[in-house]
Amino acid sequence: ILNVEQSPQSLHVQEGDSTNFTCSFPSSNFYALHWYRWETAKSPEALFVMTLNGDEKKKGRISATLNTKEGYSYLYIKGSQPEDSATYLCAFSHNAGNMLTFGGGTRLMVKP
Amino acid sequence: KAGVTQTPRYLIKTRGQQVTLSCSPISGHRSVSWYQQTPGQGLQFLFEYFSETQRNKGNFPGRFSGRQFSNSRSEMNVSTLELGDSALYLCASSLNGATTDTQYFGPGTRLTVL
Repeated sequence: ILNVEQSPQSLHVQEGDSTNFTCSFPSSNFYALHWYRWETAKSPEALFVMTLNGDEKKKGRISATLNTKEGYSYLYIKGSQPEDSATYLCAFSHNAGNMLTFGGGTRLMVKP
Repeated sequence: KAGVTQTPRYLIKTRGQQVTLSCSPISGHRSVSWYQQTPGQGLQFLFEYFSETQRNKGNFPGRFSGRQFSNSRSEMNVSTLELGDSALYLCASSLNGATTDTQYFGPGTRLTVL
């Protein structure tokens, strides 16, 4: 059984705060690490697909880093806005197909 | 380009019945994956289809099955429904089914079993 852990489970921040979450995954048989944002009543939206150790990806105010040797990834949000309120999910791939093992998510709430 | 569509969006069934859910991937996408989301278990992988073949299967009983058609549309079937099958069922499509492909999710089908 593969364990993908995300912390914290939930986070309340004020508008303008910067924040970060952690995703831990098995360091063996690593193929890729995916990050998704899931807003209530919408479909999960892909943020990043990361494959290489040391990889850093950025999309607007959101960025992510990857450490495959120790099995963790960080997601950073700079200057949080109310529209960033969502559940952020990471998902680990350990084979060549599209089989993803998801973490439990971090629920972010940004207060105006 | 139209996104991933799923039908129906909501479904109510009773225990013992069977149900079929449908997923139409983004045009040109060849891989379709299915996931179950429940409050207690989070998002769990059911199976993946690529070019009409099941390529990966999650840890679900044989009551859960699926198929993919030549136009990449996919269906999943759950037979002999149990109360615990109440969940949001999501499908996702990707272009070539590679692990590095972005998977695009549909809006889901909310199944309630009474």
